Amino acid sequence: DQQVKQNSPSLSVQEGRISILNCDYTNSMFDYFLWYKKYPAEGPTFLISISSIKDKNEDGRFTVFLNKSAKHLSLHIVPSQPGDSAVYFCAASDLSGNQFYFGTGTSLTVIP
Amino acid sequence: DVKVTQSSRYLVKRTGEKVFLECVQDMDHENMFWYRQDPGLGLRLIYFSYDVKMKEKGDIPEGYSVSREKKERFSLILESASTNQTSMYLCASTSQGTNEKLFFGSGTQLSVL
Repeated sequence: DQQVKQNSPSLSVQEGRISILNCDYTNSMFDYFLWYKKYPAEGPTFLISISSIKDKNEDGRFTVFLNKSAKHLSLHIVPSQPGDSAVYFCAASDLSGNQFYFGTGTSLTVIP
Repeated sequence: DVKVTQSSRYLVKRTGEKVFLECVQDMDHENMFWYRQDPGLGLRLIYFSYDVKMKEKGDIPEGYSVSREKKERFSLILESASTNQTSMYLCASTSQGTNEKLFFGSGTQLSVL
């Protein structure tokens, strides 16, 4: 059963606007959450993470929000740029830190 | 700069061939993973390893095996390649402990004809 879900397979946004990518999880034991970005024919690259003790983490144009009670996290990209067009995966790791669970990805297209 | 290196970017094999995918990391990481990525299915874990000579099955181990003879190297073996194993294969590594992130290689796009 999928423990990390990304229910939107794709998202299109105009350049300069905000992109919001969503992710839901089912396991309350998840302790650490990550977002990865992937271009075609390349490996995923780490984007931003958040620990369960926080509800927000910001890095430049990227902000991740965590709502533990709703078991929901989101990635905000402001402003969106054409180079942000990629597939975004959210992931969660359990308390051991040795296992990672990935969502199915959201393909973001930023339209110039 | 941290590095996870996969030996091939693109590979074309015939059905029934034995296929070896090699992965090397230079970060002295204990944990190594093999995933495959297919459109609409995300990243699915095939096998992982917490230590030398140690392996654990992931979600989709059927048709695959692995080898970890040295800490830095984790090999994925397709014993008899089939067309449904055409996929992007991703190797990753991380340190043991909490709040550690996965570092990925650049991937191997395998086509089985």
